[in-house]
Amino acid sequence: QSVLTQPPSVSGAPGQRITISCTGNSSNIGAGYDVHWYQQLPGTAPKLLIYANSDRPSGVPDRISGSKSDTSASLAISGLQTGDEADYYCQSYDRSLSRYVFGTGTKVSVL
Amino acid sequence: QVQLQQWGAGLLKPSETLSLTCAVYGGSFSGYYWSWIRQAPGKGLEWIGEINHSGTTDYNPSLKSRATISADTSKKQFTLNLRFVTAADTAVYYCARHLTTVTTSDAFDTWGQGTMVTVSS
Repeated sequence: QSVLTQPPSVSGAPGQRITISCTGNSSNIGAGYDVHWYQQLPGTAPKLLIYANSDRPSGVPDRISGSKSDTSASLAISGLQTGDEADYYCQSYDRSLSRYVFGTGTKVSVL
Repeated sequence: QVQLQQWGAGLLKPSETLSLTCAVYGGSFSGYYWSWIRQAPGKGLEWIGEINHSGTTDYNPSLKSRATISADTSKKQFTLNLRFVTAADTAVYYCARHLTTVTTSDAFDTWGQGTMVTVSS
């Protein structure tokens, strides 16, 4: 179902930097559609972390950053904290499917 | 600070109609697009459809034949109806507001608390 591919899991030690990839194709990210990122803590609704590839909503710390290149995007979290343990999803639009699409999701664990 | 509060029946039988309503508190209804998004147990997120204050709608093509989204601007509410549900429609359903910042692909900046809907005979 998901057309944006993410690694199932990423882990890191406290204080480390991790990155999460989001791979699409020429109908979505490669077509120029912006990528957004969400954090979902267990049992809660997703929270917008990054919009328009690299912009942060008010209140999101600058240790969280995003980037986009060609048909993929990345989310980076530096200074990893135990509170960062959550599922992370990328999101964009797909012109062939004519709908908003989400990534497969990545579970971040802090060792 | 805008908040979305949603409600609706949590247990349905196959072939029944799912109906969920989302109310907007502390913010404007006009000038925004509003969406429904769902998440099956242990799965990822799926966009269902959207509506704006003028009543303009768009749907996920895979659900378009069964989904209807309507709005009551006087109450600042919008409603999802999904007909002929099956077990495959079991999921947590979220309402969400589209970010107004101009981008080439809308983001969802405010979410409801989610409603678990189970379809079982």
